Amino acid sequence: SQTIHQWPATLVQPVGSPLSLECTVEGTSNPNLYWYRQAAGRGLQLLFYSVGIGQISSEVPQNLSASRPQDRQFILSSKKLLLSDSGFYLCAWTASSGLRGKLFFGSGTQLSVL
Amino acid sequence: GQQLNQSPQSMFIQEGEDVSMNCTSSSIFNTWLWYKQDPGEGPVLLIALYKAGELTSNGRLTAQFGITRKDSFLNISASIPSDVGIYFCAGLSSGNTPLVFGKGTRLSVIA
Repeated sequence: SQTIHQWPATLVQPVGSPLSLECTVEGTSNPNLYWYRQAAGRGLQLLFYSVGIGQISSEVPQNLSASRPQDRQFILSSKKLLLSDSGFYLCAWTASSGLRGKLFFGSGTQLSVL
Repeated sequence: GQQLNQSPQSMFIQEGEDVSMNCTSSSIFNTWLWYKQDPGEGPVLLIALYKAGELTSNGRLTAQFGITRKDSFLNISASIPSDVGIYFCAGLSSGNTPLVFGKGTRLSVIA
């Protein structure tokens, strides 16, 4: 069966520090991968998605970047965090074929920038 | 871009009551998905709908894919305290395009 791992669960970082959040998927090949951000009690904002290694689509211009160095690995980064980068970050995956569009989420990373 | 209007934004109900929420769009979708998010967790898929008019149940949850393909409904019967959370609808138009999410319905259940 497929599983998605996202870490860390919580992170407190000072303003101006770098960021690296990692997500990996097991049990499937060539998944579509996604990064979402959720402000407290709010909706899901799609940040980046990837349909293959090295292929990144950005939905919202911002202080963040994403990379996909391996088929089942998706990384969210920042060189210098801003206060406004605080939020709940969610990684997710869908199958490139089959599973009929179902999106599966990781358990999330709560990022606090102070 | 495509948008989903999800309502209500929030609901406060008594335990045992039935709940209804919906999503509407000006665009046609070929798939409708409903998710529930518990506090501090990632959303979990509840129900997936693939055909116009389809009615699907998952325990006390029932969801319908609107005939026009532009809306979907989620009903929860006999609510219990563990139903508390944020419910999201999501629509998929085609292929590898990302899901479009509604802004969520926050459900609170009063025991």
